[in-house]
Amino acid sequence: DTAVSQTPKYLVTQMGNDKSIKCEQNLGHDTMYWYKQDSKKFLKIMFSYNNKELIINETVPNRFSPKSPDKAHLNLHINSLELGDSAVYFCASSWEGGAGNTIYFGEGSWLTVV
Amino acid sequence: GENVEQHPSTLSVQEGDSAVIKCTYSDSASNYFPWYKQELGKRPQLIIDIRSNVGEKKDQRIAVTLNKTAKHFSLHITETQPEDSAVYFCAAVGFQKLVFGTGTRLLVSP
Repeated sequence: DTAVSQTPKYLVTQMGNDKSIKCEQNLGHDTMYWYKQDSKKFLKIMFSYNNKELIINETVPNRFSPKSPDKAHLNLHINSLELGDSAVYFCASSWEGGAGNTIYFGEGSWLTVV
Repeated sequence: GENVEQHPSTLSVQEGDSAVIKCTYSDSASNYFPWYKQELGKRPQLIIDIRSNVGEKKDQRIAVTLNKTAKHFSLHITETQPEDSAVYFCAAVGFQKLVFGTGTRLLVSP
C-alpha cells in the first residue's frame, strides 16, 4: 500500500535524450510536488500542483515540463537532458499546499546522464 | 521568499551522547517547521514538527524547540544510537511551499 510511488527508480541515459518520470499518490492529497536533490544533498523544490493547477515553478529550465492529468498524478518530462540534470528527483504530496501539512515523499528516481 | 539556514553541516557524536541541530529562517510569517530524516539511499521522512503557537515538542528521544522572536528552531536528540545516523533536514513553510535547510549529516559512533 505505497502512498507515493514513482517510476522508474533508476534511469541512466545519454545527453540529449528525452525522459519521463511518473508519480502517483493514493493518499487523496490535493497537492503534489517535484523536488530535486543534488549530489550535495540539497533538496530544492521544482514544481508544485494543486488540483492539477500549477502553483509553483521555481525558475526551472523549460526543458522540464510537469504534467498533472489528475490530482493523483504528477509526471515530469525532461527534454534534451544535460549532465547537470543528474540528481535524485523526489515526487511528494500533501494537503493544501503544504502549509502546516505533512509532505510525504516518494522513494526517489535516480537519474544519471552520461 | 523564505530562506532557511542549518548548522552544523556534519556532526559526529558517540553513542549515548546528545546531538543538537540548529536552523534559522527569514520569513516571520512562517508558521510550520518540520524535521525530516533521510537515511542513505532512502526518501526523507518526517520525524517531528512544530507549529508557531508552541515553543517545544517532544517525542521520546527527540525534541524540537522554536523561538519565533529570534526566528530559530532546533532539533535535540538524546541518548543517540547508531541507527540515528542519517542526514537531517529542517524546513519552514514559506509562501505555499516547504523550504528545506541544507541538511546535517549526523554520524553516531558505537
